[in-house]
Amino acid sequence: DAGVTQTPRHEVAEKGQTIILKCEPVSGHNDLFWYRQTKIQGLELLSYFRSKSLMEDGGAFKDRFKAEMLNSSFSTLKIQPTEPKDSAVYLCASSLRLGVNYAEQFFGPGTRLTVL
Amino acid sequence: GDSVTQTEGPVTVSESESLIINCTYSATSIAYPNLFWYVRYPGEGLQLLLKVITAGQKGSSRGFEATYNKETTSFHLQKASVQESDSAVYYCALGDRRGSALGRLHFGAGTQLIVIP
Repeated sequence: DAGVTQTPRHEVAEKGQTIILKCEPVSGHNDLFWYRQTKIQGLELLSYFRSKSLMEDGGAFKDRFKAEMLNSSFSTLKIQPTEPKDSAVYLCASSLRLGVNYAEQFFGPGTRLTVL
Repeated sequence: GDSVTQTEGPVTVSESESLIINCTYSATSIAYPNLFWYVRYPGEGLQLLLKVITAGQKGSSRGFEATYNKETTSFHLQKASVQESDSAVYYCALGDRRGSALGRLHFGAGTQLIVIP
């Protein structure tokens, strides 16, 4: 089975641009997560979908960050407009949640975003 | 709030020596904390190393082990004898397995481990 796929792997944007990051979760998984990783803040949760329903939209990231789950096998993260402080690695993860037990999250390779 | 604090890296250890990476957590709003160690090897994605969902129990994988200590709110990662292939970044994480928060993880900042041959 293919793991979590993320595209592009690298993205360079000018300040003010709109960028869209893409994620394909592991086939059959029903939970999907978007994280941002920086050296200073570490891993921060941006969005969390459970069976395509948005469970958490990351609070402080609401205004310029919008994640969508178009179908069970595809998700996008839009940043609009981008700012230099958005430079980070964006990670997508998915899991197969059964009942109330914790399910392991499988992570994609990440998209490294640089905003000039 | 809910948070995780772990040993600041990088941590440098010689091959065959023992290792401990400290992890402590604060779970003020999490009723049933679950604890995890994730690892990212060079050039690879983040992956689960081990998990413990019940206080007092120990998890182990690839020679690593960690015990969930509710009294000290700790989940330290240990290995008796490290290998060069253990060089990676290790993340301690805290999760909630109840209700709408199920699946959400709080990660520590990560600890880079460098094993010298």
